[in-house]
Amino acid sequence: QVQLVQSGAEVKKPGASVKVSCKASGYTFTSYGISWVRQAPGQGLEWMGRISAYNGNTNYAQKFQGRVSMTTDTSTSTAYMELRSLRSDDTAVYYCARDHYDSSGYVAYWGQGTLVTVSS
Amino acid sequence: EIVLTQSPGTLSLSPGERATLSCRASQSVSSRYLAWYQQKPGQAPRLLIYGASSRATGIPDRFSGSGSGTDFTLTISRLEPEDFAVYYCQQYGSSPRTFGQGTKVEIK
Repeated sequence: QVQLVQSGAEVKKPGASVKVSCKASGYTFTSYGISWVRQAPGQGLEWMGRISAYNGNTNYAQKFQGRVSMTTDTSTSTAYMELRSLRSDDTAVYYCARDHYDSSGYVAYWGQGTLVTVSS
Repeated sequence: EIVLTQSPGTLSLSPGERATLSCRASQSVSSRYLAWYQQKPGQAPRLLIYGASSRATGIPDRFSGSGSGTDFTLTISRLEPEDFAVYYCQQYGSSPRTFGQGTKVEIK
């Protein structure tokens, strides 16, 4: 069965960077894209961007352009999301999620989420 | 960027009642590229509906989606205790793939 297992919670200081991993199993990793969605405490869902695990092409939300990098390691079936220049309002649960089917545009499988806390 | 506005913000209903959730887009969503997700506290979202009206695998038929253009609706025909949760719509016809702010369905 499809599984996405994310790395553990992180506490970072303002201005630092964080890199969250998402290890996939149960399917052919390169056949589906991975999106990243975040959720601030008590708030709604926010789409950050998507990476094709096939060719590494990325599509970032304008809001995060220049501050986010999404990458994949096909040898380990792992996707990564790095967010730089962290601010307190980046405190959120970060989810990775897999396309329902190749390039479907929406997602059907989610990781368990990684809480990133930004605090001085 | 397409802005999705969900209404109402909170829906207070009793088990067995019908729930009607609205998602309105600031501009037309191409090809009915709209999905609905359910989220319970402390859990990741779960896909319910894609393509505006197609149920995802394993989703009970009491959940149905409809609409096109700028107006979309999620209907839960008879609320079960496990349906009380927050529901989000998402458009994926254009980038960024925006979400609505959510509708909370709570027990009356």
